[in-house]
Amino acid sequence: GAGVSQSPSNKVTEKGKDVELRCDPISGHTALYWYRQSLGQGLEFLIYFQGNSAPDKSGLPSDRFSAERTGGSVSTLTIQRTQQEDSAVYLCASSHLPSGSYNEQFFGPGTRLTVL
Amino acid sequence: QKEVEQDPGPLSVPEGAIVSLNCTYSNSAFQYFMWYRQYSRKGPELLMYTYSSGNKEDGRFTAQVDKSSKYISLFIRDSQPSDSATYLCAMSLDNYGQNFVFGPGTRLSVLP
Repeated sequence: GAGVSQSPSNKVTEKGKDVELRCDPISGHTALYWYRQSLGQGLEFLIYFQGNSAPDKSGLPSDRFSAERTGGSVSTLTIQRTQQEDSAVYLCASSHLPSGSYNEQFFGPGTRLTVL
Repeated sequence: QKEVEQDPGPLSVPEGAIVSLNCTYSNSAFQYFMWYRQYSRKGPELLMYTYSSGNKEDGRFTAQVDKSSKYISLFIRDSQPSDSATYLCAMSLDNYGQNFVFGPGTRLSVLP
């Protein structure tokens, strides 16, 4: 079956430009996560969507970062006025949160963002 | 001190060796402990998870949790070149993904 997909796989942009990164979760998964992975760093949680609930934005590093999830499925992470320190791999994951069971997250391949 | 520490490697071993990968952590309240494998240019995939203390075995992989020492390990027996990847540990207070804390990963190379 189809896994989590992300696009684009690579994005090179100039400092100050806005970028949009897309995530298509596994069909039926109600939970969706965005993470950032920088060289030598662990995955950094950014934002979490669960069903129709208000998203948990506690991990967003600045107000330049925002995300939305339309129709409980596809999600877009937007970074405005990109900075060089935003260069990283942005990973999306989804899960279906079965009750009483382990919450396994399934990750997409990531979008590698380079800000020049 | 970082919440989760992991030797970044790289670690190179010959095929067939036993590999030991380790993480230490500072938050004694962590209850869920996970190991992920990440191939180059791919997303992490869950290898094993353990709730609370003890050992868990799955084929050539064994996960071990020592909560008294705040130390977790992943052992790989009879390592194969296909095991070459970055291994990430993760842990959490609860089963909610947004609370998972990941280590930086250890890059492993298994040489044929």
